Amino acid sequence: GQNIDQPTEMTATEGAIVQINCTYQTSGFNGLFWYQQHAGEAPTFLSYNVLDGLEEKGRFSSFLSRSKGYSYLLLKELQMKDSASYLCAVRDRDGGFKTIFGAGTRLFVKA
Amino acid sequence: SQTIHQWPATLVQPVGSPLSLECTVEGTSNPNLYWYRQAAGRGLQLLFYSVGIGQISSEVPQNLSASRPQDRQFILSSKKLLLSDSGFYLCAWSVQHPSGGYTFGSGTRLTVV
Repeated sequence: GQNIDQPTEMTATEGAIVQINCTYQTSGFNGLFWYQQHAGEAPTFLSYNVLDGLEEKGRFSSFLSRSKGYSYLLLKELQMKDSASYLCAVRDRDGGFKTIFGAGTRLFVKA
Repeated sequence: SQTIHQWPATLVQPVGSPLSLECTVEGTSNPNLYWYRQAAGRGLQLLFYSVGIGQISSEVPQNLSASRPQDRQFILSSKKLLLSDSGFYLCAWSVQHPSGGYTFGSGTRLTVV
């Protein structure tokens, strides 16, 4: 079966670092994505990992361990505007490159 | 640059009425196209995807259908809406490559009353 788990909610302080974990069990694997979704809006692409290791992009970094079925998104120097839901998603190996999404982690950044 | 248009932004429809949501992509050719639904506080559920004109794959059995009459047009339809069809509907496109992330349309918030 397909299963993607991530914490429901997290709270962090402005200027701090937060790590959002994601574990997955899927029938096929063709890459892992992180998306950001502000309330009432569509998700926007943040990162893509297909090989093990860390991918850094500005204040955001994403890590993947395929053998453990594990990924995390690291947000540094948190800003109030980072308050949003963060969606972990796994791309299937089947045709169409369909992507399975986790339920998302709602991050609250407080002053 | 590529853009994706989805409309309408909000819709309130009575139970049993028909539905038609339209999505168009500009600035790219032969995209993969997707329809997702997001219930309140829930994750995104894949409804349909398409890898080419007239090619539709359904992920969840339901009273919805999808069509792709043109390369960059994707339509979600229903003949008779149910209360459970309420949700946030998102169209997305990606390039035909595994590394291609999704670009989502702005979404349609559907309330069935």
